[in-house]
Amino acid sequence: GAGVSQSPSNKVTEKGKDVELRCDPISGHTALYWYRQSLGQGLEFLIYFQGNSAPDKSGLPSDRFSAERTGGSVSTLTIQRTQQEDSAVYLCASSSPSLTSGGSYEQYFGPGTRLTVT
Amino acid sequence: AQKVTQAQTEISVVEKEDVTLDCVYETRDTTYYLFWYKQPPSGELVFLIRRNSFDEQNEISGRYSWNFQKSTSSFNFTITASQVVDSAVYFCAWWGDFADGLTFGKGTHLIIQP
Repeated sequence: GAGVSQSPSNKVTEKGKDVELRCDPISGHTALYWYRQSLGQGLEFLIYFQGNSAPDKSGLPSDRFSAERTGGSVSTLTIQRTQQEDSAVYLCASSSPSLTSGGSYEQYFGPGTRLTVT
Repeated sequence: AQKVTQAQTEISVVEKEDVTLDCVYETRDTTYYLFWYKQPPSGELVFLIRRNSFDEQNEISGRYSWNFQKSTSSFNFTITASQVVDSAVYFCAWWGDFADGLTFGKGTHLIIQP
């Protein structure tokens, strides 16, 4: 079946502009995650959605970052007033929750959105 | 807080050699999961394996094998008879019942030379 899809694949924006990144999880996966990958910081967890529950936003790097998930499926990550340090690859992943432990099985990642802030 | 350490930044071997990628983790949780992901030059993270903290059995899948030892907090990954297509960055990751996202190591860049 189809994997996790993300759009756009590349985004170049000017400092100070807002950007929206989109993630479409694997059908049937109720958990959705956003990560950021940069040379300096490696792979960082940003935010997690489980179904329609409100997410814990404490992993977001600043209040310029926000995320939402509509209808328990598609998610958008919005970065307002972009800064050069926001340049990174933004990765989305989804997983199917465990039926036994209440936790999550392995996360499947999308191809990422490469964001460049000039 | 949990931590994952991949001390080997880069490994270069000649094709057909065996290679082991090290992963050491720190956690106070009793229930947790460990993962390995592969990131080839194309960039997409590919899931390889998940182990839970209650299952220390080693696992073999083709040329890949994993050695999980709670006594040393290690979850090492061995590729037997390496091939050029194994060239990638490999990430070890941790997840616990009370965690939201995965905690990743810094990754090991594996180069297989023909």
